Amino acid sequence: EVQLVESGGGLVQPGGSLRLSCAASGFNFSTYSMSWVRQAAGKGLEWISYISSGSSTIYYADSVKGRFTISRDNAKNSLYLQMSSLRDEGTAVYFCARVTGYYDSRGSYYGGLTDYWGQGTLVTVSS
Amino acid sequence: EIVITQSPATLSVSPGERATLSCRASQSVSSSLAWYQHKPGQAPRLLIYGASTRATGVPARFSGSGSGTEFTLTISSLQSEDSAVYFCQQYDNWPPWTFGQGTKVELK
Repeated sequence: EVQLVESGGGLVQPGGSLRLSCAASGFNFSTYSMSWVRQAAGKGLEWISYISSGSSTIYYADSVKGRFTISRDNAKNSLYLQMSSLRDEGTAVYFCARVTGYYDSRGSYYGGLTDYWGQGTLVTVSS
Repeated sequence: EIVITQSPATLSVSPGERATLSCRASQSVSSSLAWYQHKPGQAPRLLIYGASTRATGVPARFSGSGSGTEFTLTISSLQSEDSAVYFCQQYDNWPPWTFGQGTKVELK
């Protein structure tokens, strides 16, 4: 069974830093790309970062670029998100998610599908 | 960035009745659209990918249709356990991946 378990959330002051972790199990973690997605209370989901299986490709949303760093340790089946210079709008539930691809019936390949998610960890940015 | 718009924001449906949820993309995403079910405190669950393919283990009462910019998720006969927020996501043109704001389905 695929499981993704986030940890590391908590209360942090504006301008502070926090490191989130995501422990993966039930699949070959080293062969999958991963993403972080967040959801502020009463708001929609916002994708914030992506990392390929071997860490060679990394993307960030403009809203976090330069302040957040995504990384992974395939030997530990773990994904990380280092967050710095946190702002009030960083208050949200942060989810890690597995990214996969598939072939349709005509043999066309589609990548970028988010198929499994964790339950999320709450980050509160407040003084 | 592709903007995804979902409607309605809230849907009240009687048990056993049909629920129809809509998702519209600001530009064509071909069939690269997924639907998820999200219950409070739980991990979002993939229901539909490729606009119309049910994910493993998803009951047959869930179906997806559409392509290009207009998509629909249908729950043919609403069960009590289907109360949740449903959101769609495009994965045709990334980054960024973009999501709809969600539709809350509640039992009438």
